[in-house]
Amino acid sequence: AQTVTQSQPEMSVQEAETVTLSCTYDTSESDYYLFWYKQPPSRQMILVIRQEAYKQQNATENRFSVNFQKAAKSFSLKISDSQLGDAAMYFCAFLSYNNNDMRFGAGTRLTVKP
Amino acid sequence: NAGVTQTPKFQVLKTGQSMTLQCAQDMNHEYMSWYRQDPGMGLRLIHYSVGAGITDQGEVPNGYNVSRSTTEDFPLRLLSAAPSQTSVYFCATLSALSGEETQYFGPGTRLLVL
Repeated sequence: AQTVTQSQPEMSVQEAETVTLSCTYDTSESDYYLFWYKQPPSRQMILVIRQEAYKQQNATENRFSVNFQKAAKSFSLKISDSQLGDAAMYFCAFLSYNNNDMRFGAGTRLTVKP
Repeated sequence: NAGVTQTPKFQVLKTGQSMTLQCAQDMNHEYMSWYRQDPGMGLRLIHYSVGAGITDQGEVPNGYNVSRSTTEDFPLRLLSAAPSQTSVYFCATLSALSGEETQYFGPGTRLLVL
């Protein structure tokens, strides 16, 4: 089974600065999808960004971008110009192309300091 | 378009009681799933369904039953609640359109088993 590891339980960033959240995963599959979800105190799971494994180009969504290293099985999230509203738990997730089995990391709690 | 809805939002049970967590979606997605989220852990898959009449076990299925009689509804049943089932439960659907594979989550149900 695939595993997803987020090695940073907590991270902190100054408002307007840049922060990178780490994620590594383990799989023997070649076709899959990777996601970052944001979970604010409301507990709602909000999709931040997604990446198809077959695409070499890193996904970007406004201030959010990823560094996808397929060979290293690494999928980090970079948040630029951090805002107070970015404070939340961030989960990295792996979705198998073959069986729709989504696996999540344990999460990283991001604090944004004003 | 309500997306994914879950009821109730919060429930308290006594050990041994049974109950059903409701999940409904109006996006016509074939794939639906149930996750539980415990402190310090990411979401773990309980059961999933790839279409009406088809269900299968995920990572942590023990103590839970599901059925899928319609595309829209995917209820999760706790047969005999135990304190270990105290958790936050999320229902999700998966858009399987090629190139748009993404999971959409409901708002969650917080369950406390005494």
